[in-house]
Amino acid sequence: GIQVEQSPPDLILQEGANSTLRCNFSDSVNNLQWFHQNPWGQLINLFYIPSGTKQNGRLSATTVATERYSLLYISSSQTTDSGVYFCAPRRYSGNTPLVFGKGTRLSVIA
Amino acid sequence: DSGVTQTPKHLITATGQRVTLRCSPRSGDLSVYWYQQSLDQGLQFLIQYYNGEERAKGNILERFSAQQFPDLHSELNLSSLELGDSALYFCASSGGTEEGVPYEQYFGPGTRLTVT
Repeated sequence: GIQVEQSPPDLILQEGANSTLRCNFSDSVNNLQWFHQNPWGQLINLFYIPSGTKQNGRLSATTVATERYSLLYISSSQTTDSGVYFCAPRRYSGNTPLVFGKGTRLSVIA
Repeated sequence: DSGVTQTPKHLITATGQRVTLRCSPRSGDLSVYWYQQSLDQGLQFLIQYYNGEERAKGNILERFSAQQFPDLHSELNLSSLELGDSALYFCASSGGTEEGVPYEQYFGPGTRLTVT
């Protein structure tokens, strides 16, 4: 099956700093989602992004499917951004399962 | 709020027991997925149902089973529980039709299972 690698595994930021999280995948994918798992365990949808760039407030994501990677940018980080960020590509089209990476654990300190 | 509901939120049980986790998908979503999140295995896909029928199987143990009912809610049954089954179990749902819907998956809040 498809392999998903996320880097870095852990990241500590000062409040207000910017960061880039990377997701590499081993095979071609039909689509990709980014999630934020907050400290209470809830998985929150951030982006649904098969290719190109999307922005939502301080967050943006870029997927280059032909080169098999996706990036998540967090600007002006806040303590509420803390948690684990997961990349989850989908190998096939339609209603098919996601494959999750191990995540990047982000801690933003005041 | 994702629109996906799961009950119960927490479950504590003993080894050897059987439990049932319940999930109601977002309104209109026909597909339901079950995922397990454990410390050693990460987030893994277990099984998927689409409009009442099994659609895909992942790393689901034979002791585990699931079904989707006519009202589209789903149940995950875990039996002969072992300590290693302690995990966070998520349900997700996605698109109501095969055409023109982006198939984005939305996750419920999860059921935290502790086996003692």
